[in-house]
Amino acid sequence: AQSVTQLDSHVSVSEGTPVLLRCNYSSSYSPSLFWYVQHPNKGLQLLLKYTSAATLVKGINGFEAEFKKSETSFHLTKPSAHMSDAAEYFCVVGGGYQKVTFGTGTKLQVIP
Amino acid sequence: EAQVTQNPRYLITVTGKKLTVTCSQNMNHEYMSWYRQDPGLGLRQIYYSMNVEVTDKGDVPEGYKVSRKEKRNFPLILESPSPNQTSLYFCASSAVLTGGTEAFFGQGTRLTVV
Repeated sequence: AQSVTQLDSHVSVSEGTPVLLRCNYSSSYSPSLFWYVQHPNKGLQLLLKYTSAATLVKGINGFEAEFKKSETSFHLTKPSAHMSDAAEYFCVVGGGYQKVTFGTGTKLQVIP
Repeated sequence: EAQVTQNPRYLITVTGKKLTVTCSQNMNHEYMSWYRQDPGLGLRQIYYSMNVEVTDKGDVPEGYKVSRKEKRNFPLILESPSPNQTSLYFCASSAVLTGGTEAFFGQGTRLTVV
């Protein structure tokens, strides 16, 4: 069995300040983990993925995430928020042959 | 361009009137799936298909049907839609290699059942 918990349904940051979106997972095997972004009225776009190589994963648009097995976490970070980052973000476990499970999403608001 | 195409993008229908949402991918992916997205619930998997003629239920399959007669197409069928099926639907495809193969998503179909 596997599950994903996104710890915040809404996060609000000021433009230019750091972003932290938290994700915890549980999986009975070595997980594949992803972050997707969904802009309003758009589909889902892959930000980054972890597949048991480097634990610090760099994605598009300056985002990165660190896989911490001891904490079962895969938090998404960005050093400096931009207005265009305002969107909903989904943490996902699974992929390929594995069942895919989505978190419930975190809406990021960026304040000018 | 690699893409997953869903049609229609928006659909309003009445209770009980059969409808089909089409999904097509041009990446020769084996794995395709359907999700519904509802506020506060994230995306929940409806059905998935590992390859042609191989389909299986996801987490919320009730009231839906699918078929996979060709590799590229994976239509979602609502035989008798009900208002609780009002939702945003996404089709996705991925190559079935090892874990870590990301899914590519369509643009979504917003369905309203009145």
